[in-house]
Amino acid sequence: DAGVIQSPRHEVTEMGQEVTLRCKPISGHDYLFWYRQTMMRGLELLIYFNNNVPIDDSGMPEDRFSAKMPNASFSTLKIQPSEPRDSAVYFCASSLAMGNTEAFFGQGTRLTVV
Amino acid sequence: GESVGLHLPTLSVQEGDNSIINCAYSNSASDYFIWYKQESGKGPQFIIDIRSNMDKRQGQRVTVLLNKTVKHLSLQIAATQPGDSAVYFCAENTPPHRGSTLGRLYFGRGTQLTVWP
Repeated sequence: DAGVIQSPRHEVTEMGQEVTLRCKPISGHDYLFWYRQTMMRGLELLIYFNNNVPIDDSGMPEDRFSAKMPNASFSTLKIQPSEPRDSAVYFCASSLAMGNTEAFFGQGTRLTVV
Repeated sequence: GESVGLHLPTLSVQEGDNSIINCAYSNSASDYFIWYKQESGKGPQFIIDIRSNMDKRQGQRVTVLLNKTVKHLSLQIAATQPGDSAVYFCAENTPPHRGSTLGRLYFGRGTQLTVWP
């Protein structure tokens, strides 16, 4: 397996534009996580899915953020409209289970909103 | 060790020396802990984990120690190499609490390890 695959690796967009980040988890993993990493706040869990169903979205900062998982092999994180303070590295991770096994992370998407 | 704030704690060691990276976790109910390594421009990579019913676990060149009494976790790297230079995160899993089925994995702020040749 190629691991967790995220696209794009880098995204630069203007304030107000819609941004869509994509993730392909490791095949067979039932859990998918979206994290945001900044110097100020470190790694923050935004939302996670179990078997394609959103379980905990309490980390999603605002209604501008939304995430979907239409099938077991694909998830998106959308920001609409984007703001400069959304600039961060966004990671997707997947795991077989929760609470007793590690999560495998993708390479991340570096988002810059100007 | 880990801390809340704008600046990452740093640890500088000479190649070949042993490194110890510390982490204080917050929830006494946490039952599973993971150490991750993050190199520049990459995602966090699993190093080693430990469950709360253990106090020590060893891997290849790495050892994790868990002290539940003081809620402290440490990562020991033997014979540190330049390739070990990275940011190291500890993560704690908090089990579902009363009235909720949700468990969460919380990450510390990280420690920057720099290995000098």
